[in-house]
Amino acid sequence: QQQVRQSPQSLTVWEGETAILNCSYEDSTFDYFPWYHQFPGESPALLIAIRPVSNKKEDGRFTIFFNKREKKFSLHIADSQPGDSATYFCAASDGSSGNKLIFGIGTLLSVKP
Amino acid sequence: GPKVLQIPSHQIIDMGQMVTLNCDPVSNHLYFYWYKQILGQQMEFLVNFYNGKVMEKSKLFKDQFSVERPDGSYFTLKIQPTALEDSAVYFCASSPGGRAAETLYFGSGTRLTVL
Repeated sequence: QQQVRQSPQSLTVWEGETAILNCSYEDSTFDYFPWYHQFPGESPALLIAIRPVSNKKEDGRFTIFFNKREKKFSLHIADSQPGDSATYFCAASDGSSGNKLIFGIGTLLSVKP
Repeated sequence: GPKVLQIPSHQIIDMGQMVTLNCDPVSNHLYFYWYKQILGQQMEFLVNFYNGKVMEKSKLFKDQFSVERPDGSYFTLKIQPTALEDSAVYFCASSPGGRAAETLYFGSGTRLTVL
């Protein structure tokens, strides 16, 4: 089934804490797992992505942890900053050219100073 | 970074009328997409388009919907006739093709209100 489940729908953390956003999927053909973020009034933009050949991908304060056996992946935002406040969407696809991304419902992250 | 432009940003029309949503994708991108987002819900795939043809469409892509990109101009989504349930934000996206094909670049959306 081509669904991506995302939780929580909203999350509030204090500045400096680590925010953890979770996603899961069912379709075993999925081979590419990006996270997009969207600031109010702006376009969704690619933040970081992973393929299941690895179980971890880091880019600065942003880390994806991937568990292929459990079909779960998560985004950890270390040392959260107020400027990180946005809606974060996880997604999945089979990674082929032109193939669609299936999105989660999104997590509205609020980082309080 | 690369920009996808969507015109207009807002559109209000009466039920039953036709509407055309316009998208100017990133130059040299080969794949084009439309997504629909109802307030508070996820972006849902409608259709993707390559080399002048629809690749795949979802069950949300009703018979009243059509897409085209005549002569490399705007990539358009036409709804004729519109229904109340078509009210949503419609996002256009494009991707380059090849290894990086899966990186979708999104526009900022057109908010469609059907009265």
